[in-house]
Amino acid sequence: GDSVTQMEGPVTLSEEAFLTINCTYTATGYPSLFWYVQYPGEGLQLLLKATKADDKGSNKGFEATYRKETTSFHLEKGSVQVSDSAVYFCALSDVDTGRRALTFGSGTRLQVQP
Amino acid sequence: DGGITQSPKYLFRKEGQNVTLSCEQNLNHDAMYWYRQDPGQGLRLIYYSQIVNDFQKGDIAEGYSVSREKKESFPLTVTSAQKNPTAFYLCASSLSPGASGNTIYFGEGSWLTVV
Repeated sequence: GDSVTQMEGPVTLSEEAFLTINCTYTATGYPSLFWYVQYPGEGLQLLLKATKADDKGSNKGFEATYRKETTSFHLEKGSVQVSDSAVYFCALSDVDTGRRALTFGSGTRLQVQP
Repeated sequence: DGGITQSPKYLFRKEGQNVTLSCEQNLNHDAMYWYRQDPGQGLRLIYYSQIVNDFQKGDIAEGYSVSREKKESFPLTVTSAQKNPTAFYLCASSLSPGASGNTIYFGEGSWLTVV
């Protein structure tokens, strides 16, 4: 079945550091890929998405490129802020399987220190 | 404002009791979902519904039940058969369940604690 693997956290960075959170996936068909962010005690918010190979999703300084050859969708940001501290989830949607719901990774906690 | 409303935000349940979590959306979305999140863990799919009066089991449906009598509403009942119900429950919805790149939107979640 489909699965998503994320790097384990927590990831601790200083403000203005470069961020990479790795995400790889296994899917039957050609999935759409997503990054969601969760702040403490809240639901998930969509951060960015990409629907086909080589697409780049971007939002609020975050970027991720859909790499079909490496089955990856790594999240990057050039300069993190304290306000970016949250848990980040990589997810996929694979309509080819008939499962019409997102499959999530386990999440990566990011802690940004001033 | 359009969105997904979950209630209650916090709920305490005694062992052996059933409890129902409410989820209402005014986004005119066809599909709705329930996920469970345990501390420090990812999200696991409990049930989902692609259309009114229809729903499918997800990965961890045992001990849970749902109904979808109205497009706007998708309540989740946590029954006494659920052995470890203490968790954070997230309701979500999307416009069309089959479209590629279909974005799923989440509510604020409900914390259930068994005492």
